[in-house]
Amino acid sequence: GQQVMQIPQYQHVQEGEDFTTYCNSSTTLSNIQWYKQRPGGHPVFLIQLVKSGEVKKQKRLTFQFGEAKKNSSLHITATQTTDVGTYFCAGPRGGNKLTFGTGTQLKVEL
Amino acid sequence: ETGVTQTPRHLVMGMTNKKSLKCEQHLGHNAMYWYKQSAKKPLELMFVYSLEERVENNSVPSRFSPECPNSSHLFLHLHTLQPEDSALYLCASSQDQSRDTEAFFGQGTRLTVV
Repeated sequence: GQQVMQIPQYQHVQEGEDFTTYCNSSTTLSNIQWYKQRPGGHPVFLIQLVKSGEVKKQKRLTFQFGEAKKNSSLHITATQTTDVGTYFCAGPRGGNKLTFGTGTQLKVEL
Repeated sequence: ETGVTQTPRHLVMGMTNKKSLKCEQHLGHNAMYWYKQSAKKPLELMFVYSLEERVENNSVPSRFSPECPNSSHLFLHLHTLQPEDSALYLCASSQDQSRDTEAFFGQGTRLTVV
């Protein structure tokens, strides 16, 4: 079945450093969604990418969808303590049945 | 806050108990989902309901029994659970399960089976 892997599993950065998480799917995706889960919280939708090679930005966050629509990345510029949490990518498997990636846990130290 | 409310937030139950998790969404969505989140494992889709009809059951053991009486409410009935069933159970909803739209998650029920 469809598998979605993310690397790295964990990332510790100093505040102000950049951060990137990579998402790879075993199958071609119609779209990729990104979610953020704060410690003790629930996943919250960040963005959806649909087109091959698409790049979207939200303030310090840059999302990219690969040309083959099998991989994606999330890059955070100049991390802040509010960026702490686990970032998940998710790809739909037949309609909106999302297969979530393994997640990247980000810790930001002052 | 999120439009999807789950109760209870925390639950401790013995292996012989029967309990139910409740989810309610106020977003007018047609699809609702149960996910399981265990430590160090990705979110696992358990059940999908579309317009109150179950459209997917991801090989979930029968000790988990979902119920969707209407498009706004979703239950997960639990009986004779095992300690390995301890996890965060998340309910989610989306506009339509056949379209690629974002999922809105509830805050989850932290379940501990003792």
